[in-house]
Amino acid sequence: ELKVEQNPLFLSMQEGKNYTIYCNYSTTSDRLYWYRQDPGKSLESLFVLLSNGAVKQEGRLMASLDTKARLSTLHITAAVHDLSATYFCAVGYQYNFNKFYFGSGTKLNVKP
Amino acid sequence: DGGITQSPKYLFRKEGQNVTLSCEQNLNHDAMYWYRQDPGQGLRLIYYSQIVNDFQKGDIAEGYSVSREKKESFPLTVTSAQKNPTAFYLCASSIGAGRYTNYGYTFGSGTRLTVV
Repeated sequence: ELKVEQNPLFLSMQEGKNYTIYCNYSTTSDRLYWYRQDPGKSLESLFVLLSNGAVKQEGRLMASLDTKARLSTLHITAAVHDLSATYFCAVGYQYNFNKFYFGSGTKLNVKP
Repeated sequence: DGGITQSPKYLFRKEGQNVTLSCEQNLNHDAMYWYRQDPGQGLRLIYYSQIVNDFQKGDIAEGYSVSREKKESFPLTVTSAQKNPTAFYLCASSIGAGRYTNYGYTFGSGTRLTVV
């Protein structure tokens, strides 16, 4: 079974600051996904990373994947209050491509 | 607009009762999935289906059942055998199964199930 660890689990930061969320996974995979969830809502797809060294950026968020280190990062630049949400990474399981394994989520609170 | 529709949004179940959660998609996606989310936790896979009339158990299938009689529909039944069903249930679909899930999932809006 593939294990996915995110850290930190909770992150409180001031507007305008930068921070990084980390997603480590336990076995080989070349597919990693980032999602955003607002309270009581569903998950919204943010990024799909499909190869080693992949980097995707959208607004103040940038995601990267290092398959050798089994690590993905979600970097937040100059945070704004609207980014407050819970962020999940999900890893595709190479032995069963239909199965994604999710991290526990990082709850981000950006204070004005 | 295409998407996934889950209903109801809120559902209350009495002890010993079976309940069915609906999931319908008009995205023409082949694969569909059911996940369970407990407070403060990630998602755990209950069942998934790659094709009509076929489905596979996920990591926490005990106490749940599904059917896939139509490509668009993947209902989940929470049976009385599921001892702790209170959770947020999310249905998802993907454009293909296996290696073709490069686009990740599209999620429905979820059903919040509470045992009363």
